[in-house]
Amino acid sequence: EPEVTQTPSHQVTQMGQEVILRCVPISNHLYFYWYRQILGQKVEFLVSFYNNEISEKSEIFDDQFSVERPDGSNFTLKIRSTKLEDSAMYFCAKRKVRGKYYGYTFGSGTRLTVV
Amino acid sequence: QKEVEQNSGPLSVPEGAIASLNCTYSDRGSQSFFWYRQYSGKSPELIMFIYSNGDKEDGRFTAQLNKASQYVSLLIRDSQPSDSATYLCAVGGGADGLTFGKGTHLIIQP
Repeated sequence: EPEVTQTPSHQVTQMGQEVILRCVPISNHLYFYWYRQILGQKVEFLVSFYNNEISEKSEIFDDQFSVERPDGSNFTLKIRSTKLEDSAMYFCAKRKVRGKYYGYTFGSGTRLTVV
Repeated sequence: QKEVEQNSGPLSVPEGAIASLNCTYSDRGSQSFFWYRQYSGKSPELIMFIYSNGDKEDGRFTAQLNKASQYVSLLIRDSQPSDSATYLCAVGGGADGLTFGKGTHLIIQP
């Protein structure tokens, strides 16, 4: 069973439209992240979200982007007016502690295609 | 600007041999280092985490860290065709997330 579920798995949208990507962590964690990966390129950090507030954001995360945890469980990434260059895989991630080690578990991802 | 560099490959290794993957990073203050495996079209899967100089072993995988040289490596022993994937080196963590390299595409030849 996946620890982090993302919906939808694939979203096709027209340029200029708003999209909302959703992430549902199975267990209760405080730290969440959004990353994106443009086809053939590296995974890039977008934003971290701690205790229901944005903790850090990258240069990519401009005013077009927003994150929320509207109901205490779902974790959403909204892109207000999509551009062609927003086409990418979007991953949410959570921090997971294993004894004295920790890691980051990624969700299955949402493939966003802007046409 | 934090940078993580990897040879993109492809790196081709015969089945049963040792695959050696390398990574360098620019931020000398980095404390945590990760190796992820990513199959085509799938999400990254954590396979190793290391934060101390030296070696860390987990099954067929060994991560090696040399902070003085700003170098991280991953060894995969007894390579299997199912190990064929892109291996991502990532550095950092905490509030500002991970900085990833572009990944090394590994091909295990049966």
